[in-house]
Amino acid sequence: EIVLTQSPGTLSLSPGERATLSCRASQSVSSNYLAWYQQKPGQAPRLLIYGASSRATGIPDRFSGSGSGTDFTLTISRLEPEDFAVYYCQQYGGSPLYTFGQGTNLEIK
Amino acid sequence: EVQLVESGGGLVQPGGSLRLSCAASGFPFSSYTMNWVRQAPGKGLEWISYISTSSSTMYYADSVKGRFTISRDNAMNSLYLQMNSLRAEDTAVYYCARGVRSLGYGFDNWGQGTLLTVSS
Repeated sequence: EIVLTQSPGTLSLSPGERATLSCRASQSVSSNYLAWYQQKPGQAPRLLIYGASSRATGIPDRFSGSGSGTDFTLTISRLEPEDFAVYYCQQYGGSPLYTFGQGTNLEIK
Repeated sequence: EVQLVESGGGLVQPGGSLRLSCAASGFPFSSYTMNWVRQAPGKGLEWISYISTSSSTMYYADSVKGRFTISRDNAMNSLYLQMNSLRAEDTAVYYCARGVRSLGYGFDNWGQGTLLTVSS
Protein backbone atom coordinates (compact mmCIF):
# COMPACT_ATOMS: atom_id res chain seq x y z
CA GLU A 1 0.00 0.00 0.00
CA ILE A 2 1.29 3.45 -0.96
CA VAL A 3 1.04 5.91 1.91
CA LEU A 4 1.49 9.62 1.31
CA THR A 5 2.73 11.65 4.27
CA GLN A 6 2.40 15.41 4.10
CA SER A 7 4.38 17.86 6.17
CA PRO A 8 3.98 20.03 8.01
CA GLY A 9 0.49 19.32 9.28
CA THR A 10 -0.07 23.04 9.79
CA LEU A 11 1.89 25.88 8.26
CA SER A 12 1.42 29.41 9.60
CA LEU A 13 2.57 32.16 7.25
CA SER A 14 1.72 35.72 6.29
CA PRO A 15 0.51 37.03 2.94
CA GLY A 16 3.43 37.71 0.64
CA GLU A 17 5.56 34.93 2.14
CA ARG A 18 6.66 31.77 0.36
CA ALA A 19 5.03 28.44 1.27
CA THR A 20 6.71 25.08 0.82
CA LEU A 21 4.58 21.96 1.34
CA SER A 22 6.01 18.44 1.29
CA CYS A 23 4.52 15.10 0.24
CA ARG A 24 6.53 11.95 0.84
CA ALA A 25 5.48 8.56 -0.55
CA SER A 26 6.18 5.21 1.10
CA GLN A 27 7.06 3.79 -2.33
CA SER A 28 8.16 5.39 -5.56
CA VAL A 29 5.36 7.18 -7.41
CA SER A 30 5.43 7.96 -11.10
CA SER A 31 5.77 11.71 -11.54
CA ASN A 32 3.07 11.46 -14.16
CA TYR A 33 0.58 10.53 -11.49
CA LEU A 34 1.18 12.90 -8.60
CA ALA A 35 -1.34 15.69 -8.10
CA TRP A 36 -2.02 18.48 -5.65
CA TYR A 37 -5.41 19.86 -4.60
CA GLN A 38 -6.59 22.89 -2.67
CA GLN A 39 -9.69 22.74 -0.50
CA LYS A 40 -11.40 25.64 1.22
CA PRO A 41 -14.01 25.20 3.98
CA GLY A 42 -17.35 24.02 2.65
CA GLN A 43 -16.03 23.56 -0.86
CA ALA A 44 -15.00 20.63 -3.01
CA PRO A 45 -11.29 20.23 -3.67
CA ARG A 46 -9.76 21.97 -6.68
CA LEU A 47 -7.03 20.47 -8.84
CA LEU A 48 -3.91 22.64 -8.76
CA ILE A 49 -1.07 20.52 -10.10
CA TYR A 50 -0.96 17.28 -12.08
CA GLY A 51 1.96 15.24 -13.31
CA ALA A 52 3.92 16.58 -10.31
CA SER A 53 4.68 19.92 -12.00
CA SER A 54 1.99 20.93 -14.50
CA ARG A 55 -0.53 23.57 -13.48
CA ALA A 56 -4.18 22.83 -14.09
CA THR A 57 -6.31 25.20 -16.12
CA GLY A 58 -6.69 28.61 -14.51
CA ILE A 59 -4.17 28.05 -11.73
CA PRO A 60 -1.94 31.10 -11.13
CA ASP A 61 1.76 30.75 -11.80
CA ARG A 62 2.63 31.43 -8.16
CA PHE A 63 1.76 27.75 -7.65
CA SER A 64 4.45 25.29 -8.71
CA GLY A 65 5.12 21.62 -8.15
CA SER A 66 8.31 19.62 -8.24
CA GLY A 67 9.82 16.34 -7.21
CA SER A 68 10.14 12.73 -8.24
CA GLY A 69 10.28 9.24 -6.83
CA THR A 70 9.16 9.54 -3.22
CA ASP A 71 9.57 13.26 -2.53
CA PHE A 72 7.32 15.93 -3.96
CA THR A 73 6.88 19.61 -3.16
CA LEU A 74 4.19 22.22 -3.72
CA THR A 75 5.48 25.79 -3.60
CA ILE A 76 3.41 28.95 -3.46
CA SER A 77 5.80 31.76 -4.26
CA ARG A 78 3.97 34.72 -2.74
CA LEU A 79 0.93 33.96 -0.65
CA GLU A 80 -2.30 35.75 -1.48
CA PRO A 81 -5.15 35.92 1.09
CA GLU A 82 -7.18 33.43 -0.96
CA ASP A 83 -4.40 30.80 -0.79
CA PHE A 84 -5.01 29.97 2.86
CA ALA A 85 -6.65 26.57 2.72
CA VAL A 86 -5.94 22.86 3.12
CA TYR A 87 -3.71 21.21 0.51
CA TYR A 88 -3.67 17.53 -0.39
CA CYS A 89 -1.33 15.48 -2.52
CA GLN A 90 -2.64 12.43 -4.39
CA GLN A 91 -1.10 9.50 -6.22
CA TYR A 92 -2.61 7.32 -8.90
CA GLY A 93 -1.68 3.87 -10.04
CA GLY A 94 -0.47 2.23 -6.91
CA SER A 95 -2.30 0.11 -4.38
CA PRO A 96 -4.89 1.28 -3.62
CA LEU A 97 -5.51 2.84 -7.02
CA TYR A 98 -5.57 6.35 -5.55
CA THR A 99 -4.21 7.65 -2.27
CA PHE A 100 -4.45 11.08 -0.71
CA GLY A 101 -2.08 12.53 1.83
CA GLN A 102 -3.56 13.62 5.14
CA GLY A 103 -3.37 17.29 4.18
CA THR A 104 -1.47 20.42 5.15
CA ASN A 105 -3.46 23.26 6.69
CA LEU A 106 -2.02 26.55 5.47
CA GLU A 107 -3.18 29.21 7.90
CA ILE A 108 -2.68 32.93 8.26
CA LYS A 109 -0.09 33.87 10.85
CA GLU B 1 -19.85 23.92 -18.47
CA VAL B 2 -18.95 20.70 -16.72
CA GLN B 3 -21.34 19.89 -13.88
CA LEU B 4 -21.45 17.03 -11.44
CA VAL B 5 -24.39 16.96 -9.04
CA GLU B 6 -24.60 14.37 -6.29
CA SER B 7 -27.82 13.34 -4.59
CA GLY B 8 -29.18 10.64 -2.34
CA GLY B 9 -27.45 11.38 0.93
CA GLY B 10 -29.27 11.40 4.23
CA LEU B 11 -29.61 9.72 7.61
CA VAL B 12 -29.40 5.92 7.68
CA GLN B 13 -29.27 3.47 10.56
CA PRO B 14 -26.24 1.24 11.01
CA GLY B 15 -26.58 -1.85 8.85
CA GLY B 16 -28.77 -0.01 6.38
CA SER B 17 -28.38 0.69 2.68
CA LEU B 18 -28.45 3.73 0.46
CA ARG B 19 -27.70 4.58 -3.15
CA LEU B 20 -25.95 7.79 -4.13
CA SER B 21 -26.28 9.29 -7.59
CA CYS B 22 -24.16 11.73 -9.52
CA ALA B 23 -25.68 13.47 -12.54
CA ALA B 24 -23.14 14.63 -15.08
CA SER B 25 -23.56 17.28 -17.76
CA GLY B 26 -21.52 19.50 -20.03
CA PHE B 27 -19.09 16.84 -21.23
CA PRO B 28 -19.10 13.42 -22.96
CA PHE B 29 -19.68 11.37 -19.82
CA SER B 30 -18.94 8.04 -21.47
CA SER B 31 -15.40 9.18 -22.29
CA TYR B 32 -14.25 9.74 -18.72
CA THR B 33 -13.39 7.52 -15.80
CA MET B 34 -15.29 8.40 -12.65
CA ASN B 35 -14.65 8.13 -8.95
CA TRP B 36 -16.20 8.50 -5.53
CA VAL B 37 -14.24 10.28 -2.82
CA ARG B 38 -15.45 10.86 0.72
CA GLN B 39 -14.55 13.16 3.56
CA ALA B 40 -15.55 12.44 7.14
CA PRO B 41 -16.40 15.50 9.24
CA GLY B 42 -13.23 17.45 9.98
CA LYS B 43 -11.05 14.83 8.28
CA GLY B 44 -9.13 14.48 5.05
CA LEU B 45 -10.04 13.07 1.66
CA GLU B 46 -10.44 9.33 1.12
CA TRP B 47 -10.76 7.84 -2.36
CA ILE B 48 -13.20 4.95 -2.24
CA SER B 49 -14.05 3.78 -5.75
CA TYR B 50 -13.22 4.01 -9.48
CA ILE B 51 -15.06 2.91 -12.58
CA SER B 52 -13.75 2.79 -16.12
CA THR B 53 -15.52 4.35 -19.07
CA SER B 54 -17.23 1.14 -20.15
CA SER B 55 -17.81 -0.23 -16.63
CA SER B 56 -15.41 -3.07 -17.40
CA THR B 57 -13.12 -2.24 -14.48
CA MET B 58 -13.92 -1.17 -10.94
CA TYR B 59 -11.66 -0.63 -7.97
CA TYR B 60 -12.45 -0.10 -4.31
CA ALA B 61 -10.68 1.00 -1.18
CA ASP B 62 -10.34 -1.78 1.37
CA SER B 63 -12.58 0.17 3.75
CA VAL B 64 -15.61 -0.32 1.48
CA LYS B 65 -14.77 -3.44 -0.51
CA GLY B 66 -17.58 -5.98 -0.40
CA ARG B 67 -20.08 -3.42 0.92
CA PHE B 68 -20.15 -0.69 -1.75
CA THR B 69 -20.73 -1.09 -5.49
CA ILE B 70 -19.97 1.56 -8.09
CA SER B 71 -21.84 1.64 -11.37
CA ARG B 72 -22.63 4.00 -14.21
CA ASP B 73 -25.23 4.50 -16.89
CA ASN B 74 -23.63 6.22 -19.84
CA ALA B 75 -26.96 6.66 -21.60
CA MET B 76 -28.25 8.56 -18.57
CA ASN B 77 -24.95 10.39 -17.87
CA SER B 78 -25.10 9.11 -14.32
CA LEU B 79 -22.79 7.56 -11.76
CA TYR B 80 -23.98 5.57 -8.78
CA LEU B 81 -22.72 4.21 -5.49
CA GLN B 82 -24.73 1.45 -3.84
CA MET B 83 -23.82 1.32 -0.17
CA ASN B 84 -24.79 -1.66 1.98
CA SER B 85 -24.03 -2.70 5.56
CA LEU B 86 -23.42 0.91 6.49
CA ARG B 87 -21.39 1.74 9.57
CA ALA B 88 -20.97 4.84 11.68
CA GLU B 89 -17.52 5.33 10.16
CA ASP B 90 -19.10 5.71 6.72
CA THR B 91 -20.49 9.07 7.83
CA ALA B 92 -19.01 11.60 5.42
CA VAL B 93 -19.58 13.97 2.57
CA TYR B 94 -19.44 11.92 -0.63
CA TYR B 95 -18.08 13.53 -3.79
CA CYS B 96 -18.12 12.25 -7.34
CA ALA B 97 -15.08 13.29 -9.33
CA ARG B 98 -14.00 13.02 -12.95
CA GLY B 99 -10.64 11.45 -13.69
CA VAL B 100 -8.80 12.75 -16.73
CA ARG B 101 -6.19 10.64 -18.47
CA SER B 102 -4.39 13.66 -19.95
CA LEU B 103 -4.04 15.08 -16.45
CA GLY B 104 -2.41 11.96 -15.08
CA TYR B 105 -5.83 10.74 -14.01
CA GLY B 106 -6.18 13.70 -11.67
CA PHE B 107 -9.66 14.83 -10.71
CA ASP B 108 -10.37 18.04 -12.59
CA ASN B 109 -14.04 18.35 -11.74
CA TRP B 110 -15.89 17.52 -8.54
CA GLY B 111 -19.48 17.68 -7.46
CA GLN B 112 -20.58 19.72 -4.46
CA GLY B 113 -20.93 16.61 -2.33
CA THR B 114 -23.79 14.86 -0.55
CA LEU B 115 -23.78 14.13 3.17
CA LEU B 116 -24.35 10.64 4.49
CA THR B 117 -24.94 10.23 8.20
CA VAL B 118 -25.01 6.73 9.65
CA SER B 119 -26.53 6.81 13.11
CA SER B 120 -29.23 5.20 15.19
